[in-house]
Amino acid sequence: QVQVVESGGDLVKPGGSLRLSCAASGFTFTDYYMSWIRQAPGKGLEWIAYISDSGGYTNYADSVKGRFGISRDNTKNSLFLQMNSLRVDDTALYFCARRAKYGYQFDSWGQGTLVTVSS
Amino acid sequence: QSALTQPASVSGSRGQSITISCTGTSSDGGPYNYVSWYQQHPDKAPRLIIYDGNKRPSGFSDRFSGSKSGNTASLTISGLQAEDEADYYCSSYTSTSTWIFGGGTKVTVL
Repeated sequence: QVQVVESGGDLVKPGGSLRLSCAASGFTFTDYYMSWIRQAPGKGLEWIAYISDSGGYTNYADSVKGRFGISRDNTKNSLFLQMNSLRVDDTALYFCARRAKYGYQFDSWGQGTLVTVSS
Repeated sequence: QSALTQPASVSGSRGQSITISCTGTSSDGGPYNYVSWYQQHPDKAPRLIIYDGNKRPSGFSDRFSGSKSGNTASLTISGLQAEDEADYYCSSYTSTSTWIFGGGTKVTVL
């Protein structure tokens, strides 16, 4: 079945870097746009980045633009999020989500990986 | 980009119907033609329940329905059941090729 599994979350100091990964299975990865969406503890959802099926187009939320980079390796059915210049308010559960093939909804989500930014 | 506006909480008794609103402004990238709704139980991943304003994913309960009027989208849960107790989020794709979410609504079944 369709599955996306995030990994790479950790405790990191302010100003540090971290790279998250998302392993996809059960579907043709190259057919889908993918996104990262995060949720701060006790807070709501925040979309932060997406990448086109080929990887040729990306877009970011203003809150992470210039600090985070989304990428994918279609040969390995994997999605990545490179996070630089991390701040305390980047602390959140980071979800990998598949955008539906037709439409703008996110039809499959992982369980998330926790990033904690603290000194 | 500001979030879409949802009520913080809505409650209802078992068997009743409740409606959750989701309001944005044109500055948020409206007119919100692509509104989706997600259900999130505690410590679980969000789950798509409505897309394109009023469509349900295959196999999902028809007790959930969506509608839209102007810059306000709504989610109605009919025949409220205990397992409907969760957080619900609306989301919209915007004219700047980004997505925004509402702040979330906690549904309590009395």
